[in-house]
Amino acid sequence: QKEVEQDPGPLSVPEGAIVSLNCTYSNSAFQYFMWYRQYSRKGPELLMYTYSSGNKEDGRFTAQVDKSSKYISLFIRDSQPSDSATYLCAMTLSDGQNFVFGPGTRLSVLP
Amino acid sequence: GAVVSQHPSWVICKSGTSVKIECRSLDFQATTMFWYRQFPKQSLMLMATSNEGSKATYEQGVEKDKFLINHASLTLSTLTVTSAHPEDSSFYICSARGDGSGETQYFGPGTRLLVL
Repeated sequence: QKEVEQDPGPLSVPEGAIVSLNCTYSNSAFQYFMWYRQYSRKGPELLMYTYSSGNKEDGRFTAQVDKSSKYISLFIRDSQPSDSATYLCAMTLSDGQNFVFGPGTRLSVLP
Repeated sequence: GAVVSQHPSWVICKSGTSVKIECRSLDFQATTMFWYRQFPKQSLMLMATSNEGSKATYEQGVEKDKFLINHASLTLSTLTVTSAHPEDSSFYICSARGDGSGETQYFGPGTRLLVL
């Protein structure tokens, strides 16, 4: 079993749709959870950063962590064509060590 | 958020030459820097981790004599691709973590290397 699994997509949705991106992981010791957005030929950009279980909202983006199920999600409301990118989940231990990325989900938002 | 810059953004070189890529943390002190490479439509592949003032730790399968990493200060790390060959053509991305960045990594914009 891979340490972090993520549906690679590609995922295509119409503009305005709610998008749900998900990752599952196997190491229950992960404490910090992140979502990155990567446009083609660009470095990843940090979108959301959460600690332990719970929800965090920032504009159209909501990150959700369920440590009991080892499952994290990123929700994008009112999706826009500019949201078309690859989304990477990442997680790390409490001391910031053993930083692990998911393989990424390619999202296309169609106008 | 924290800002990481990378230079150059792209480079084309002849086979056999060496190429140096710089990674700088602009508004925080990066105690740890990471170097990744990424092939088209593939995920990030960690090459090495470097802590300021220490030798880099390379991932399995990454040649340390081929990819020289120097992290001489808290704001600068360099990756030198020595005697580059066409198969080294890739997208190289650095990231940094340290004071002011919490437990997360902030990425540079990447450097596209094409070896002819």
